[in-house]
Amino acid sequence: ETGVTQTPRHLVMGMTNKKSLKCEQHLGHNAMYWYKQSAKKPLELMFVYNFKEQTENNSVPSRFSPECPNSSHLFLHLHTLQPEDSALYLCASSQAYNSPLHFGNGTRLTVT
Amino acid sequence: KQEVTQIPAALSVPEGENLVLNCSFTDSAIYNLQWFRQDPGKGLTSLLLIQSSQREQTSGRLNASLDKSSGRSTLYIAASQPGDSATYLCAVNSGSARQLTFGSGTQLTVLP
Repeated sequence: ETGVTQTPRHLVMGMTNKKSLKCEQHLGHNAMYWYKQSAKKPLELMFVYNFKEQTENNSVPSRFSPECPNSSHLFLHLHTLQPEDSALYLCASSQAYNSPLHFGNGTRLTVT
Repeated sequence: KQEVTQIPAALSVPEGENLVLNCSFTDSAIYNLQWFRQDPGKGLTSLLLIQSSQREQTSGRLNASLDKSSGRSTLYIAASQPGDSATYLCAVNSGSARQLTFGSGTQLTVLP
């Protein structure tokens, strides 16, 4: 149990589908993050939420839409994705900016 | 823009050896540096976090050092075991947005 739970673990979707990734943290943290991990590339920060407010959006295409209804839950809504969006999507949380990040096990997304 | 480099990209050692993983970063104005471990198909596990005011941190057989002025950190693993086989990632917290910038990782294999 990592304290950060992501569902689903695997997702295959067509380019015209709409799906959502879910992340839940049980650590009482205030900040939550979405990262993208593609093969042979460093982790890329996508979105940051601090106390439910989005504080960062790293030039992510609008086909990715985050939602943070409360400090324990984070969603990533997906629509009209491209095959190059296939990657491991990781959620993380932290108590504060200077605190260690705790990651979930990720959702392996394949876009066909 | 902060850039983080990890060398080597892959390392294979016999069980019992002591080893050093390297991480370098271009902007020395950092808040902290964090080392993670990632097992295949899994999320990241935080190993050690070094604040900018610290020189090193230790946890069990792991010791991480930080030299901000030269833009370098090392992760020392003593008496390596096959269970240490994983990808080790270095991440630097810097910039006005306090974002983590990740290296591409070192894939470690410890042979029994």
